[in-house]
Amino acid sequence: GEDVEQSLFLSVREGDSSVINCTYTDSSSTYLYWYKQEPGAGLQLLTYIFSNMDMKQDQRLTVLLNKKDKHLSLRIADTQTGDSAIYFCAEKDTNAGKSTFGDGTTLTVKP
Amino acid sequence: DADVTQTPRNRITKTGKRIMLECSQTKGHDRMYWYRQDPGLGLRLIYYSFDVKDINKGEISDGYSVSRQAQAKFSLSLESAIPNQTALYFCATSDFKAGSYNEQFFGPGTRLTVL
Repeated sequence: GEDVEQSLFLSVREGDSSVINCTYTDSSSTYLYWYKQEPGAGLQLLTYIFSNMDMKQDQRLTVLLNKKDKHLSLRIADTQTGDSAIYFCAEKDTNAGKSTFGDGTTLTVKP
Repeated sequence: DADVTQTPRNRITKTGKRIMLECSQTKGHDRMYWYRQDPGLGLRLIYYSFDVKDINKGEISDGYSVSRQAQAKFSLSLESAIPNQTALYFCATSDFKAGSYNEQFFGPGTRLTVL
């Protein structure tokens, strides 16, 4: 089946850039997503990228997609303490109509 | 008001008990999902439903059952709860438009503890 992998933890200092990486196996993915989970809450969509794109920028967020290597990354510029959360990478299997989520990367931002 | 609600938010129960977790949505979406979240294991799909008459097993459906009572309601049941079903459970919904990214909208979660 489909698999999505992420490293579990990342710690950065406030003001630095954060880069969260993800690899996936399903070559038929049409959309890849980044969801954010704040403490005690459900997941919320942060951003997404269509599989025929290699980059998407949205304010402090930059998503890079290397489709050949099945590698997705999320860069957060000027990371703030409010960015501390768990970030989930997800891919959508178009044929099955459902998504597979990674294990989540816990981002800790230190003042 | 929240678009996706889950009840209860917290539940402690004993091994062998039957438990039902409920999910309601006001988004008018056809697609609904149940996930469980365990530390270090991310989100795993239990069951999903693409409309009222369509129910599908996810990757970890053993020990669980679901009921789609209406477009807006999707319930998850644990017929005989066991301690390794202790987890955080999330319901989610999504629309389906061909060619669109169709994000999933998550409820706030139900924390279930099985003693």
